[in-house]
Amino acid sequence: EVQLVESGGGLVKPGGSLRLSCAASGFTFSSYSMNWVRQAPGKGLEWVSSISSSSSYIYYADSVKGRFTISRDNAKNSLYLQMNSLRAEDTAVYYCARVLSDGMDVWGQGTTVTVSS
Amino acid sequence: SYELTQPPSVSVSPGQTARITCSGDALPKQYAYWYQQKPGQAPVLVIYKDSERPSGIPERFSGSSSGTTVTLTISGVQAEDEADYYCQSADSSGTYRTVFGTGTKVTVL
Repeated sequence: EVQLVESGGGLVKPGGSLRLSCAASGFTFSSYSMNWVRQAPGKGLEWVSSISSSSSYIYYADSVKGRFTISRDNAKNSLYLQMNSLRAEDTAVYYCARVLSDGMDVWGQGTTVTVSS
Repeated sequence: SYELTQPPSVSVSPGQTARITCSGDALPKQYAYWYQQKPGQAPVLVIYKDSERPSGIPERFSGSSSGTTVTLTISGVQAEDEADYYCQSADSSGTYRTVFGTGTKVTVL
């Protein structure tokens, strides 16, 4: 079964850091680009970051550029999102998703990040 | 910044047809994708590359494209189709960014 499982979410103070992980299974992880997408409470979907299959190409939304870092370990079938200098507006459910062409065909169940003092 | 605009809500009676539009300047040059999201769940891809349907998605879901507007059509709406729907595409300005539409709440009356 094709599956993505996120972990690492939690409560963090403004200015703090958190590292999210996404474990992939059931497909050849190293063949796919991957995305992080987030959804603030009661809001719509927001693309956060993309990474190509070999990590050669990396892109960020303006809202997180310079604070978040996407990475992957194909040997471990894992995707990561290092989040630094967190703000209240980063509070959201964070999803990892497999890229199909320019869309996303497989999504994880999400992990919740809450930034609050 | 690039935006995709959707109507906030669409209401439809069971068995009728729901149409959800998504407008964006780059849509003539970029494919559109549609996602269904039910409360507390992750999004599910229902249409890719404007009009292709992934395996397992019911035939009542279809997509079309015309100029700067793409449309998701749900024919013979069922109660289980009540959900939020988001379009998504890529920015064609060379920034390689992914953009989601504003989202449409479909209510089955």
